[in-house]
Amino acid sequence: DTGVSQNPRHKITKRGQNVTFRCDPISEHNRLYWYRQTLGQGPEFLTYFQNEAQLEKSRLLSDRFSAERPKGSFSTLEIQRTEQGDSAMYLCASTPLGGSDNEQFFGPGTRLTVL
Amino acid sequence: GENVEQHPSTLSVQEGDSAVIKCTYSDSASNYFPWYKQELGKRPQLIIDIRSNVGEKKDQRIAVTLNKTAKHFSLHITETQPEDSAVYFCAASETSYDKVIFGPGTSLSVIP
Repeated sequence: DTGVSQNPRHKITKRGQNVTFRCDPISEHNRLYWYRQTLGQGPEFLTYFQNEAQLEKSRLLSDRFSAERPKGSFSTLEIQRTEQGDSAMYLCASTPLGGSDNEQFFGPGTRLTVL
Repeated sequence: GENVEQHPSTLSVQEGDSAVIKCTYSDSASNYFPWYKQELGKRPQLIIDIRSNVGEKKDQRIAVTLNKTAKHFSLHITETQPEDSAVYFCAASETSYDKVIFGPGTSLSVIP
């Protein structure tokens, strides 16, 4: 499978615990994005990377959230001291830079449930 | 920042009829307008997009129109089929590789 992959697909955790999700983008895609989607809503932008550089973070991303892309390939999103309001689907997407016809390819998402 | 609104939130049509979803955006810097289809439990998938230098684009049964002056854009699906049933999201971005701001979605049901 050469698409965007995310692990784990599902995560159930207790409030106050830390969780980490991983995203593997399509090979050689420079840009990698994280979005969060709650039930009945559209995806909300969280942050994105160009190679290893984090270019922008949404105001939605509190200081409990941190994202990295250390080698410009896979990325991790960590949530510290999880709260029930963090329960959502966390989507990753990637796109190549350059060219005139790019689209963001989404992964299957990681569904987080905070009890 | 950019804000995308979308109407209606739910839409039910008979098979074979047309469906129209309308969106507005707020940021005049937006130049790229993708439409995504999301089936239950699946990832969003791009179905068509339009750039600001184009007023209309068509791909088989799907067409999009853009009025940049009014900051309106619309999705038209003709000859709807049951497999068109899904949630559709309009979105806006400065370019195809910038962050995408999504609308709240339209749940389309096509009744056989």
